[in-house]
Amino acid sequence: DIQMTQSPSSLSASVGDRVTITCQASQDITTYLNWYQQKPGKAPKVLIYGASSLETGVPPRFSGSGSGTDFTFTISSLQPEDIATYYCQQYDNLPLTFGGGTKVEIK
Amino acid sequence: QVQLQESGPGLVKPSQTLSLTCTVSGGSINSGGYYWSWIRQHPGKGLEWIGYIYYYGSTYYNPSLKSLVTISLDTSANQFSLRLNSVTAADTAVYYCARFVMATNSFDFWGQGSLVTVSS
Repeated sequence: DIQMTQSPSSLSASVGDRVTITCQASQDITTYLNWYQQKPGKAPKVLIYGASSLETGVPPRFSGSGSGTDFTFTISSLQPEDIATYYCQQYDNLPLTFGGGTKVEIK
Repeated sequence: QVQLQESGPGLVKPSQTLSLTCTVSGGSINSGGYYWSWIRQHPGKGLEWIGYIYYYGSTYYNPSLKSLVTISLDTSANQFSLRLNSVTAADTAVYYCARFVMATNSFDFWGQGSLVTVSS
């Protein structure tokens, strides 16, 4: 199985701050990576697919980059509604696997 | 707008079979381009892909659960189902059904989740 390692596991930032989350794959997955947002008590929602493509309707303050084994997810200006846990997910190989999540809180 | 809704018992006894159904509305499961999926989330933990099924019946399972899991389709009811045999307390989780879209290789629509507790 491909292991996905996210860091940090949690972070606290102020409204308007730039937030960056990293995701490392245990092997080369080219750009076969998605990012999801999960708010408490809700199902995850896809934000970024193919490492850097913004899902329709998702605000442009969210972005993704990277290829191979190292990926970055960025919120350019944190908003109160962005409080959530964010997950990366690879689709290079089955089984599909997710990172452990990064919980984002407001300072 | 596609919607998915899980249904099934919220409490299952150890060693019994967990059965959940996902009803899809706003689109047909009997069309190409999508895998119909089950994902679970243990309390306070991350996400685990269980498996998915294609519209003509091909199934793909997580090897960690493969011997215990069956995913099936009921195209007449526009539903797909999960069966997990011989459950233990470790199978207590929120179970999500979701659509995996091949165009973007992502889970684009999800159910709201169904908490299943395994306890005697």
